[in-house]
Amino acid sequence: EAQVTQNPRYLITVTGKKLTVTCSQNMNHEYMSWYRQDPGLGLRQIYYSMNVEVTDKGDVPEGYKVSRKEKRNFPLILESPSPNQTSLYFCASSTQGGDEQYFGPGTRLTVT
Amino acid sequence: AQRVTQPEKLLSVFKGAPVELKCNYSYSGSPELFWYVQYSRQRLQLLLRHISRESIKGFTADLNKGETSFHLKKPFAQEEDSAMYYCAGLLGKVTFGTGTKLQVIP
Repeated sequence: EAQVTQNPRYLITVTGKKLTVTCSQNMNHEYMSWYRQDPGLGLRQIYYSMNVEVTDKGDVPEGYKVSRKEKRNFPLILESPSPNQTSLYFCASSTQGGDEQYFGPGTRLTVT
Repeated sequence: AQRVTQPEKLLSVFKGAPVELKCNYSYSGSPELFWYVQYSRQRLQLLLRHISRESIKGFTADLNKGETSFHLKKPFAQEEDSAMYYCAGLLGKVTFGTGTKLQVIP
């Protein structure tokens, strides 16, 4: 089954404790991206990747890191999480050139 | 700058009434435009895209280049249409609007 998976689905952590949210797709997509969804602000892009070893900042990259060492994986790293990073995070993938975006199920992160 | 604007955060309509969710875009080129839908507690999924010119679940969207709009319409709202709707544009990278919550009142 073609899909985008994210882990964990729910995470509660404390300020400053490094964490990684994994994202994996099995559709051989070149393009992958991370979004955060906040009430009233909609969906905002954090980082995106056009292909392996190619990453670019989105609209709200501060406080986040990503890597794209393999085509299928695109982890999101929070080196020192802060409460303002409490949000619902979505990973998405698509073919190169931007076709339909396939979204993961979301990761709800709470930073206390 | 590339921008997609959805002016309404919430739109409430009665069941059977027409629906129009507004989307305006500002791009320096000709973007590809999409509507995504997110039902309660589910992931976002593509509803329709302007190049396919198809109708999904009774929804249609017409690209109006003169008004730089891509409004989503449905003649008769159903309760199952209640969801968050996001307009998105693609020109190099994807840009999403802030979303409109559609609430269909029985």
